[in-house]
Amino acid sequence: DIVMTQSPLSLPVTPGEPASVSCRSSQSLLHTNGYKYLDWYLQKPGQSPQLLIYFSSTRASGVPDRFSGSGSGIDFTLKISRVEAEDVGVYFCMQSLQAPYTFGQGTRLEIK
Amino acid sequence: QVQLQESGPGLVRPSETLSLNCTVSGAPVTSHYWSWIRQPPGKGLQWIGYIYYSGSTTLYNPSLKSRVDISIDTSKNHFSLKLRSVTAADTAFYYCARGPSFGLDSWGQGALVTVSS
Repeated sequence: DIVMTQSPLSLPVTPGEPASVSCRSSQSLLHTNGYKYLDWYLQKPGQSPQLLIYFSSTRASGVPDRFSGSGSGIDFTLKISRVEAEDVGVYFCMQSLQAPYTFGQGTRLEIK
Repeated sequence: QVQLQESGPGLVRPSETLSLNCTVSGAPVTSHYWSWIRQPPGKGLQWIGYIYYSGSTTLYNPSLKSRVDISIDTSKNHFSLKLRSVTAADTAFYYCARGPSFGLDSWGQGALVTVSS
């Protein structure tokens, strides 16, 4: 199985400041079609996860442009340019290149 | 806008079969891939598997493959999960979702299933 490792696991942020979450995969997520099969999700307290980013850098419909994703085949980053109170929750990365699809452990973002 | 809703028993006895339905509105189940994911309370996410109507294609997590079946009922526009021979380790929130072609882009609210006698 592809192992997804996130860091940090806890991320206290002051509103208005930027934030960054890292995700590393145990093998390349670059498909022969050129796409990187890495998604980012946010699970707000008491809610189901919601898609933020797919194919490493494509924002999902309705996602604010303060969220951006980037990465090589193995190291990926989710950036929030200016954190808002509504961004609180747990951020997960997920690879969908190879079954079984696997998630990172999650990064809990909290407001300072 | 597509919406998904899980339904099924919240309590299942050990060794029995967990059965959940996911009713889809706003999109036909004959299109797209449809997935099941679970999350033990307070823990991380585990992908269970997906189904694609065309060709009745399914793909399961190997760790669960011997116990899982995912199916589609087009007359009810829903897809279903069956997990056999459950134990306490199968206690979790079970989510259905559309995808993962372009991410898991729509999720149900989740159904908590507890395995206990």
